[in-house]
Amino acid sequence: EIVLTQSPGTLSLSPGERVTLSCRASQSVTSDNLAWYQHKPGQAPRLLIYGASTRATGIPDRFSGSGSGTDFTLTISRLEPEDFAVYYCEQYVTAPPTFGGGTKVEIK
Amino acid sequence: EVQVVESGGGLVQPGGSLRLSCAASGFTFSSYWMSWVRQAPGKGLEWVANIKQDGSQSYYVDSVKGRFTISRDNAKNSLYLQMNSLRAEDTGVYYCGMGGSHPLHWGQGSLVTVS
Repeated sequence: EIVLTQSPGTLSLSPGERVTLSCRASQSVTSDNLAWYQHKPGQAPRLLIYGASTRATGIPDRFSGSGSGTDFTLTISRLEPEDFAVYYCEQYVTAPPTFGGGTKVEIK
Repeated sequence: EVQVVESGGGLVQPGGSLRLSCAASGFTFSSYWMSWVRQAPGKGLEWVANIKQDGSQSYYVDSVKGRFTISRDNAKNSLYLQMNSLRAEDTGVYYCGMGGSHPLHWGQGSLVTVS
């Protein structure tokens, strides 16, 4: 089983700041089969990135994904008020897929 | 517009059963893997199960194997999750997703409470 570890657990930031979220896998995530989601309370999860670096339809270009192998990163270039949420990475090398524990981005 | 709408959640006693449904519209349902994901109170997302377009393959997280069954009816554009032998730790919001690996569209969720 591939275990995904996200860090940090919580980030307290202000609008306009740059955010870098980390996702580390216990073994290689081959073919960059890694996605990132945004999730707000009471709402459906929102796919941001798949294939480690491809933005999903309609996702603003301030969101970007990078990495390969066991280390992946989600970057938000400039935080907007609507970006405060929990972010999850997900690997889909194995079936069924698995999620990381999440990083909460909260308003400072 | 793509829509997936979950229903069937509720309060059930430990050991009981519940069947969740997911009604899909706005896309060719029979062309997509479909998935169920859940979130326990105060916890993160957990993948539950997914199923191939024709229903011939399905995968489950270890904690629900033998208790939950995912199925679909392509004629009705519907996805199901039959949940038996429910436990307190199955409590949470269950989301239906369009796609088997990284679903693009998700529903608002259906709350299942086992108590």
